[in-house]
This record gives sequence, C-alpha cells and structure tokens, in this order.
Amino acid sequence: SAVISQKPSRDICQRGTSLTIQCQVDSQVTMMFWYRQQPGQSLTLIATANQGSEATYESGFVIDKFPISRPNLTFSTLTVSNMSPEDSSIYLCSAYSLPTGYTGELFFGEGSRLTVL
Amino acid sequence: QKEVEQNSGPLSVPEGAIASLNCTYSDRGSQSFFWYRQYSGKSPELIMFIYSNGDKEDGRFTAQLNKASQYVSLLIRDSQPSDSATYLCAVKDQTGANNLFFGTGTRLTVIP
Repeated sequence: SAVISQKPSRDICQRGTSLTIQCQVDSQVTMMFWYRQQPGQSLTLIATANQGSEATYESGFVIDKFPISRPNLTFSTLTVSNMSPEDSSIYLCSAYSLPTGYTGELFFGEGSRLTVL
Repeated sequence: QKEVEQNSGPLSVPEGAIASLNCTYSDRGSQSFFWYRQYSGKSPELIMFIYSNGDKEDGRFTAQLNKASQYVSLLIRDSQPSDSATYLCAVKDQTGANNLFFGTGTRLTVIP
C-alpha cells in the first residue's frame, strides 16, 4: 500500500492570499490526483498531476487558480491562489498503489482542511 | 465530469441487519467500480472494487454490479455500529486518465 503525507493538515487563511499544499508519497507513482471535498459534499477531482508534463484540469478548475507542480515521481504541490471563502474545503492528494496507475487501490492522504476568512 | 448518483441518506439500520447502498452511473462504457468508506474527519478508504457483472463477496461486504442497468450496490451484512460512516461509490474514468469520479455518498448509521 502507498502512504501519502500531506501538509499542512489544516490552515486558516485570509481572503486574497495563496496557500501551497504539499503531498509526499512513499513510493514512486505515475499519476497523482488532487481532489476537493467541500463541507458535506463528495470528492470532486481538480486535476491529474503527471511528472514531466502539465497537469490536466477538470472542468471548472483552471491553472491560474490552482497551479500544480510535479517535480518528481513521489511529490506534488497544489496552490490555492487568491483565496476566497468559497475555497474553504478539504483538499486531498491521492495516488495509485502501483506505479503504473492502471490497477490497484487509489490511496488518499489525510487531507488539508483549509478555512478562508 | 461523469455522473455518479447515490442516495444521500441518512440510512439507519439496526445492529445485525443488512444495509443496502445503491449507486447509478452515467457512462455506459465504465468498467471499474469502487466503494469507499469515509469516517467523519478522515480520508476515504477502499472497501471493495468490482469489474464484472454479478456479485463479489468479501467478508460481510458484497458488491453487486449490473452494467446493463448501470447500477452498482454494496450490501453490508450483520451491520455493526463501527460501520457507521459515509459510503462513497466511485467509477473509474475510461478515457485514459484513470482518475475516479465519486458519488455524493450515503451516510449510514447503525443503531446499537
């Protein structure tokens, strides 16, 4: 199984500022995914982060708002830019347990709970 | 994003009963289906996956898949209070990205 560590685990931020969330996997993985879970809601995919290429964003999410880095096969960051209270959410990093990403269990980090005042 | 529909509940069952959780999906080409359990304040954890039509059993859990009806379900036998959680149905994207699309989740409460 993959162990995924995220930090910060929680933060309180001011409107208009930006926050970068870090995600570290204990093994090399091809694809990493960033999800958002708003209060009382299910998980919504923000983007897929592949090493060596630009992230692929889902409808409703743009790079200027959620820039993503993937410098190597074990690490990724998600930045939430110019935050507003609507960005208050839990942000979850995930990856497959197998390097190829085509099979295996999708593991999640513990999440980063972001509150924007 | 692909649509995955679940009854949000809450679903309450007495301890020892069978809990039945249902999910429908919109993409007829979907091949892989997953059930995750999420305790309050925690991240989702995989309970079961199913790829073929029919039933798949793992301990107290049984996943059922009917691709013709685009329907997947999870049965929990001998429900325990520790099963109280939100259960998320997820469908794997077939376009090559391999990400999962999640339903809104069903909150289950098992009453002692």
